[in-house]
Amino acid sequence: EPEVTQTPSHQVTQMGQEVILRCVPISNHLYFYWYRQILGQKVEFLVSFYNNEISEKSEIFDDQFSVERPDGSNFTLKIRSTKLEDSAMYFCASSDGGGGTEAFFGQGTRLTVV
Amino acid sequence: GQQLNQSPQSMFIQEGEDVSMNCTSSSIFNTWLWYKQDPGEGPVLLIALYKAGELTSNGRLTAQFGITRKDSFLNISASIPSDVGIYFCAGRLNPNFGNEKLTFGTGTRLTIIP
Repeated sequence: EPEVTQTPSHQVTQMGQEVILRCVPISNHLYFYWYRQILGQKVEFLVSFYNNEISEKSEIFDDQFSVERPDGSNFTLKIRSTKLEDSAMYFCASSDGGGGTEAFFGQGTRLTVV
Repeated sequence: GQQLNQSPQSMFIQEGEDVSMNCTSSSIFNTWLWYKQDPGEGPVLLIALYKAGELTSNGRLTAQFGITRKDSFLNISASIPSDVGIYFCAGRLNPNFGNEKLTFGTGTRLTIIP
């Protein structure tokens, strides 16, 4: 079964450092998303991406965040200057966007900011 | 913003028991989804509901889309150990597939007592 893969599974970074979280969406999918989940809390939408541009973003997704699809397969989330409160699980998801299936989620990257 | 409240927050049951949980919203959603999350993993879709009043089953799981479009419930019959995890409802305004964000509920943690 096709799956969304994320790397790394766990990233520890110092406050103020830049991090890049990587995702390989399912190959024929056109819509890409990032969600985050602070420990013990609900999953929250960050951003959606289609046709090489952001479709929608939440208030969490401020100027410190950016997304990119640098090639035909990867989808990345960059946090420019991490803060302690950025510590969370970050989930990438992808969907085909048509009359097909709902979004598939990756297994997540646990980001710990120290 | 839209809020999805799930109840109960947690459940402790014995193997073989039936489980019922629900999700209520302060506003209307046109698609309701139920996900299960295992520890350290991403959400996995269990059931998708697209019409008010719709009742859908997936094996031992049954979910209904409330007529008011502001609630949904999930039932699990004859629980087994692998049912342990956190169950999230999620809503989407757009009735069609597409890149619109999901709003997740607060989660119900299911524990099976030996």
